[in-house]
Amino acid sequence: DTAVSQTPKYLVTQMGNDKSIKCEQNLGHDTMYWYKQDSKKFLKIMFSYNNKELIINETVPNRFSPKSPDKAHLNLHINSLELGDSAVYFCASSHPAVEKLFFGSGTQLSVL
Amino acid sequence: DAKTTQPPSMDCAEGRAANLPCNHSTISGNEYVYWYRQIHSQGPQYIIHGLKNNETNEMASLIITEDRKSSTLILPHATLRDTAVYYCIVRGDNYGQNFVFGPGTRLSVLP
Repeated sequence: DTAVSQTPKYLVTQMGNDKSIKCEQNLGHDTMYWYKQDSKKFLKIMFSYNNKELIINETVPNRFSPKSPDKAHLNLHINSLELGDSAVYFCASSHPAVEKLFFGSGTQLSVL
Repeated sequence: DAKTTQPPSMDCAEGRAANLPCNHSTISGNEYVYWYRQIHSQGPQYIIHGLKNNETNEMASLIITEDRKSSTLILPHATLRDTAVYYCIVRGDNYGQNFVFGPGTRLSVLP
């Protein structure tokens, strides 16, 4: 059983399109995150949700909109994709009593 | 910005101990030291964390200096599968605090 699963694993699209990445965790965690890893391999947090509520929102263009229908899911919707959005996006989850991050396997987004 | 400093790369012979250093001279009293690793193209994986005492688990040992300004992650018998980027992170225990990843150390385990 995959603890944190993301779909799709690869996403190739044209500039200007709108796309979504889905994330689900079956660990019963309360908090979920989206991280972005750019071509220089720096891993930066984008958003954090706890029980469907936003608790961290780093400086991210408002073209990126996270949506959490329930605490097991945190989807990332991106409008008007730009070349600079090309990166690997990782979903993660954690539980307050066990301060570890569990990461998904990543979604490689390529904007052409 | 990351609060830690790590060497950009290290090599280790297979079967030998890998000792990865981390400096965190501005660490506060309530901040823990965490280690994660990222094997090529995979999501980062938790290894170990500690506050001030040395810690050991099935993956590694964490040695924290008495003044807590630096630490060392020890992989006792490195294998080729331990080749990865290792991240040292300092994080407070307040709920909602962010894990800030720096560039890490790229460990290459050589046959």
